[in-house]
Parts: sequence; structure tokens; C-alpha cells
Amino acid sequence: GQQLNQSPQSMFIQEGEDVSMNCTSSSIFNTWLWYKQDPGEGPVLLIALYKAGELTSNGRLTAQFGITRKDSFLNISASIPSDVGIYFCAGLPPNFGNEKLTFGTGTRLTIIP
Amino acid sequence: KAGVTQTPRYLIKTRGQQVTLSCSPISGHRSVSWYQQTPGQGLQFLFEYFSETQRNKGNFPGRFSGRQFSNSRSEMNVSTLELGDSALYLCASSLDSGRGSLGYTFGSGTRLTVV
Repeated sequence: GQQLNQSPQSMFIQEGEDVSMNCTSSSIFNTWLWYKQDPGEGPVLLIALYKAGELTSNGRLTAQFGITRKDSFLNISASIPSDVGIYFCAGLPPNFGNEKLTFGTGTRLTIIP
Repeated sequence: KAGVTQTPRYLIKTRGQQVTLSCSPISGHRSVSWYQQTPGQGLQFLFEYFSETQRNKGNFPGRFSGRQFSNSRSEMNVSTLELGDSALYLCASSLDSGRGSLGYTFGSGTRLTVV
């Protein structure tokens, strides 16, 4: 099935560093979502974006809906140990009817002590 | 309120067997979607059920099937298991179908290992 290209695949950072990741698609989306998955758990929604150009924050997390509607970015500022996990973007296409989420390939974040 | 409950959490099966996984959605949620998560393929959509009807289906072979009961609980079944079916199977529930999926809540998943 269709997938979104997410980069980087993995990141190794030190506590306190800022993190940036992005998601791109060859087709446009009407909605972008960012999820975080902890080991052994299901993904949890972090941020939802509904309009091109929209910039939304949730604590230390900030996400943007690209103006082309084909990409989205997630930034984490001042990373802490609990930020470790896999981050997924997900998009909802502009089709009427039974839309379903398409997920990115994930970015694995590791914090080096 | 209770979250999405998936049972069992872990399962080991041998090739050729069949397996049934269960998902109890959040109370009041009528839509249940299933995803397969593997390291190589990421999260792949299997199917969605809403009010006991399959509303959407991903690109998986017919060995993968599901159903939803009147209380919104859902089961998925995989017959004639193959090694490649080893994965984390995630269930997500939401109030409504389609754009209601924005209210997705995922369960913790069932880790299936096929040996």
C-alpha cells in the first residue's frame, strides 16, 4: 500500500538537543497527523494539522503542514529521555468517502546518555 | 474510560495454523480499524469496520479477514499462517468512520510470531 516517506529513519541525539524530522508524499493530503509509539505500545496522537501552512505546538513539540500539502515537519525542542520512541507521520487524502490514514515509515529517536 | 483492549498481547503459532485476534474498542466508538506493523513495511492498513460492516480494505490477501459484532468488538482472523505474518497487529477505534478516524485511539497491539 501507499506510504509516506519519512526522514531520517533514525536519530541519535544527546539530551537537551533539538530534533527535526519530516514527511513527504507524491500526492497531496488534507490532514497531517503526528504519532509517537513507545516500545510495546500502540501509537499515540501528538499533533493534528488541518490546513496548509498551519503551525501547531504541543508543549515542546511543533509541527507544520507544508504549503504544498505534500509534506509536514515535526520539531522537538530540548529533548528529554521520555522523548525516546518511534515517531510516525500520517496523512488523510482529499477523497470523499471512506478515507483511511496512510502512515509514514517512522523515525526512531534514541537519546545517547 | 477504558482504552482500546487487544487480546492476547503475545501469540506464537506455527506455519499453516490459523489465529484469531480480538479488539474491544473504547465504549461508544463504532469504528474499528486494524493495522499490521512490521519493521520493514511500517504500519499497513488491513481493514476498517463500522457498525458491523467492512467499510474499507487494504491490500492484503484473502487469508486476512475480520468481523465486527453488535457491541463494536472486532476480531481479525489469519488463516494458513506464513512466516511473513509475524508482526505487531494494532487495532484502533474511533467514534465514526472516515474523517472520524482523526479521533483514532490505538490499542497496545498483539505481537504474533509465526515459527
